[in-house]
Amino acid sequence: QSVLTQPPSVSGAPGQRVTISCTGSSSNIGAGYDVHWYQQLPGAAPKLLIYGNSNRPSGVPDRFSGSKSGTSASLAITGLQAEDEADYYCQSYDSSLSGWVFGGGTKLTVL
Amino acid sequence: EVQLVESGGGLVQPGGSLRLSCAASGFSFSNYEMNWVRQAPGKGLEWVSYLSSGSTIYYADSVKGRFTISRDNAKNSLYLQMNSLRAEDTAVYYCARGGGYGGNSRFDYWGQGTLVTVSS
Repeated sequence: QSVLTQPPSVSGAPGQRVTISCTGSSSNIGAGYDVHWYQQLPGAAPKLLIYGNSNRPSGVPDRFSGSKSGTSASLAITGLQAEDEADYYCQSYDSSLSGWVFGGGTKLTVL
Repeated sequence: EVQLVESGGGLVQPGGSLRLSCAASGFSFSNYEMNWVRQAPGKGLEWVSYLSSGSTIYYADSVKGRFTISRDNAKNSLYLQMNSLRAEDTAVYYCARGGGYGGNSRFDYWGQGTLVTVSS
């Protein structure tokens, strides 16, 4: 299993708000390392969605937001759109493993 | 525009070798950390290896001793030499640019990936 824990799936209707959690430990998120989020559309490469816990790269809509507290982080998506249907991954660094780690991914379904 | 283009994937027998390449353009390649990240079919993302703009290198435990990362700044290229390949190395391999610094680094640009299949 993955070092960072995400729910396998979440769903919501168009226009609704959904959140995706990412739970780590004292050797990664809890140690103060940043959490980053990626969106992977079907058949495509991952794309950076949120960096440094809560920052959006240029071009990412403000419907996407991130937060971090303690050993966990969250990605929130408001005003859900059909095009948001994708897999979402959180990522951080783990000092015990001396390497970068990902969550197992969360599949977002727009109903 | 930042572009990363991987090549070199293919079908290889268990125990065999393969060398992946990643051609970079649109940024000052020599100044950036670079990584390889892989994704097994139907599975999640797994970080594989890191190479700093200097010579600092890290590997995931799953590939340590078998894979070697390198770069040629004159050719704006990143490489991954993969030896003693196993069935569990079957994955799409992505080249990803590192943004930020050290442990807080993120993967800010990704290539389209190259598929490596290890099978007899």
